[in-house]
Amino acid sequence: DTEVTQTPKHLVMGMTNKKSLKCEQHMGHRAMYWYKQKAKKPPELMFVYSYEKLSINESVPSRFSPECPNSSLLNLHLHALQPEDSALYLCASSQDFPLGGETQYFGPGTRLLVL
Amino acid sequence: QKEVEQDPGPLSVPEGAIVSLNCTYSNSAFQYFMWYRQYSRKGPELLMYTYSSGNKEDGRFTAQVDKSSKYISLFIRDSQPSDSATYLCAMMISDKLIFGTGTRLQVFP
Repeated sequence: DTEVTQTPKHLVMGMTNKKSLKCEQHMGHRAMYWYKQKAKKPPELMFVYSYEKLSINESVPSRFSPECPNSSLLNLHLHALQPEDSALYLCASSQDFPLGGETQYFGPGTRLLVL
Repeated sequence: QKEVEQDPGPLSVPEGAIVSLNCTYSNSAFQYFMWYRQYSRKGPELLMYTYSSGNKEDGRFTAQVDKSSKYISLFIRDSQPSDSATYLCAMMISDKLIFGTGTRLQVFP
């Protein structure tokens, strides 16, 4: 099973709302990732968690707050977002990190619209 | 210069055609090479993964890597309308996965 699940599939929020995206994998992977993908662009890395610790933050604004409660779960808390933050948010996981040849498996994404 | 270059297309071919998708890269430190397929409004799906120069075949798909030329290709034989998607090449170096911009492929019946 190489499945990464994400909820919700779609999310519409106002600029003053607080919401959370959830990601789950049961492959025993120790690394999990958040990516942001705008239309017709490749995924852009936001955060990397390795063994439940934040390893990489790609200078993401503080209105995005990641959390890794355990090795299977990854959350992305959203607060005071801007319309330009509207995008497809992808979660991925890999066996380990740094990447020593392990492939990343992606979830279906959450399509976020900020009004 | 971008680390990974990929023609965005769109590439439109008739059903049954052989499709060739290509990426070039500039960093000789890249060690692992992948092709992902992404349907509209879905997450990327890993298609092929390789780390050595040469060809790797999986069904209708063949991945080719030429490290001396810094060039990778994905060939799709007997293309089907269900192959219509965006194809992203990706390359791995220690702590990062670097994606190409993706090539949009349309296979018409």
